[in-house]
Amino acid sequence: KAGVTQTPRYLIKTRGQQVTLSCSPISGHRSVSWYQQTPGQGLQFLFEYFSETQRNKGNFPGRFSGRQFSNSRSEMNVSTLELGDSALYLCASSLTVNTGELFFGEGSRLTVL
Amino acid sequence: QKEVEQNSGPLSVPEGAIASLNCTYSDRVSQSFFWYRQYSGKSPELIMSIYSNGDKEDGRFTAQLNKASQYVSLLIRDSQPSDSATYLCAVNPRTNAGKSTFGDGTTLTVKP
Repeated sequence: KAGVTQTPRYLIKTRGQQVTLSCSPISGHRSVSWYQQTPGQGLQFLFEYFSETQRNKGNFPGRFSGRQFSNSRSEMNVSTLELGDSALYLCASSLTVNTGELFFGEGSRLTVL
Repeated sequence: QKEVEQNSGPLSVPEGAIASLNCTYSDRVSQSFFWYRQYSGKSPELIMSIYSNGDKEDGRFTAQLNKASQYVSLLIRDSQPSDSATYLCAVNPRTNAGKSTFGDGTTLTVKP
């Protein structure tokens, strides 16, 4: 059974640009969550999607957005990139909203110059 | 006060010893508790979940939960060098997937 797939794995952007990250959950999983991981802040919750609806959102500015498609695949977008957005962005899938057990992808490492 | 706090670490134990990792949480209504292991350069991997007070054992791993004290721990028996990793404690306010709040992690080194 394939795991969570995230693309791209690495990317470099400059300040002011925007970026879109993609996540394909484990087959049959319907919940997708996004986390930002940095050495200083640890794992910070961005948002969670279930059945194409955003159910929860973390304390991030509006530059961070996401969506989920009917096949459960998800994308997140960061606009007007700042240096502080450099981080590992992790996608996690879960069978339903009520399991709490997350399966993470390998992440997308974003560097903002 | 952070919502989820873990031993600052790093923690170093000799091979074969018991490693004890601790976590406290501030939200009394938390109901779901998880331990993730993250190897350097890799993503977190779920290793234990616990939902009710007491102990839960899975192989060499034992998770312990005390809701009254708002405390959850992970014991690793017969520690192996391959257990060297950062261990993350995660807490959910309700059974609500994706809303897990993570601690900063404790880095464990098992020395041969």
